Amino acid sequence: SAVISQKPSRDICQRGTSLTIQCQVDSQVTMMFWYRQQPGQSLTLIATANQGSEATYESGFVIDKFPISRPNLTFSTLTVSNMSPEDSSIYLCSVEGRVGGREAFFGQGTRLTVV
Amino acid sequence: GDSVTQMEGPVTLSEEAFLTINCTYTATGYPSLFWYVQYPGEGLQLLLKATKADDKGSNKGFEATYRKETTSFHLEKGSVQVSDSAVYFCALSDPGGATNKLIFGTGTLLAVQP
Repeated sequence: SAVISQKPSRDICQRGTSLTIQCQVDSQVTMMFWYRQQPGQSLTLIATANQGSEATYESGFVIDKFPISRPNLTFSTLTVSNMSPEDSSIYLCSVEGRVGGREAFFGQGTRLTVV
Repeated sequence: GDSVTQMEGPVTLSEEAFLTINCTYTATGYPSLFWYVQYPGEGLQLLLKATKADDKGSNKGFEATYRKETTSFHLEKGSVQVSDSAVYFCALSDPGGATNKLIFGTGTLLAVQP
C-alpha cells in the first residue's frame, strides 16, 4: 500500500480566501484523486489528476473553484478558491492501488472550516 | 448511474454482539466492491474487498461476500469490540472505467458499547 501525506491536516479560513491542500505519496502513481466529504455525508469525487495533463472534473465541480496541480508522479495540490461556509468539509487525497486491484488508498484528510 | 445504498445508522451494539451492515449496489457492469472504515478523526482505510461474484473478502474478523444475484455486499462480524466503533463505507469501483474512481455509500456509524 502507498503512504499518503496531506497538509494541512486542518484549517479554519475566512470566507472569500483560498486554501491549497498538498498531497505527497511515497511512490510514483499515475492517477491521484481528490474527494470531498461534507459533514455527516459520504465521499464525493471532485476530480482525477494525471501527471502532465489537466485534471478531469466530476459533474458539479469546476476548475475555477477547485484548481488542481499535478507537477510530478508523487505530488498534487487542490486549491479551494473563494471559500464560503458551504465549502466546510474534509478533503481527501487518494491514489490507486496495484494494477487490477482497483482499491484506493487515502490520506488522512484535511478538515476545512470556513467562517 | 452506478450507485451504492447502505444501511442507515447509527448502529449501536454491545460488545461481542453480531454485526451486519447491509449494502446493495446498482451497476451496469461488474464492479469490484469494497468496505472502507473511518475511525474517529482519521482518514479512510481499506477494510476488505471482493473483485468478482461469490468472492468473500475478510479482514480483522469482518467478512463480506459479493452476491451478484442480489447485488449485495453485506458486512458481517461475529463478535464486535469497542475498538470497532467507526464509520463504515461500502463502495464500488467504476466498472467501465480504466481508473480507480470509487462510488461510495452514505456510511454507517457503528457504536459499540462495553
